[in-house]
Amino acid sequence: NAGVTQTPKFQVLKTGQSMTLQCAQDMNHNSMYWYRQDPGMGLRLIYYSASEGTTDKGEVPNGYNVSRLNKREFSLRLESAAPSQTSVYFCASRTGTGSYEQYFGPGTRLTVT
Amino acid sequence: QKEVEQNSGPLSVPEGAIASLNCTYSDRGSQSFFWYRQYSGKSPELIMFIYSNGDKEDGRFTAQLNKASQYVSLLIRDSQPSDSATYLCAVNRFSGGYNKLIFGAGTRLAVHP
Repeated sequence: NAGVTQTPKFQVLKTGQSMTLQCAQDMNHNSMYWYRQDPGMGLRLIYYSASEGTTDKGEVPNGYNVSRLNKREFSLRLESAAPSQTSVYFCASRTGTGSYEQYFGPGTRLTVT
Repeated sequence: QKEVEQNSGPLSVPEGAIASLNCTYSDRGSQSFFWYRQYSGKSPELIMFIYSNGDKEDGRFTAQLNKASQYVSLLIRDSQPSDSATYLCAVNRFSGGYNKLIFGAGTRLAVHP
């Protein structure tokens, strides 16, 4: 039982390049989330998926897109990376039924130059 | 005013002392509250959650909730150097038909021998 996994762990992009961050969970959770964490800003919600087949914007969605591929996988895509997207990205999941605890993946450290 | 506020710290306590971490929130309708611990370079790890007014104890950790005053706190008894980390307070918010966690920016705790 690996919990929440993310790939890659580190990535360096040039401005304008695109990439997809992958997230998968093996806990049979319904809800999945993407956050970014910047110094002094805490965790900010980018997008979330309450259940398979649904996605919705969070607090800071501009410049990102998501896909809930199936119940296990939730990917985050940067179409044209900008230096302002340099951050640590965390994926999280939650059962979605009656409990609100979220469990986090190990994170992806992204640098855009 | 931020929705979830924490003192950024650092909060410095000697080994063996009680560390007291505080968090205030603005949404009076919030019902579920969480404490996450985050070591430097790692992902947030859930350590406590509390839903009812009063105290909830788990080992050396005690979460305290006062909904009338809109604050939640975390006490760490017999603090150890291994407790040195950033502690994130999170509050569940139901919005747009979905549950989301709103995070504070975190309090850095330093336990010195």
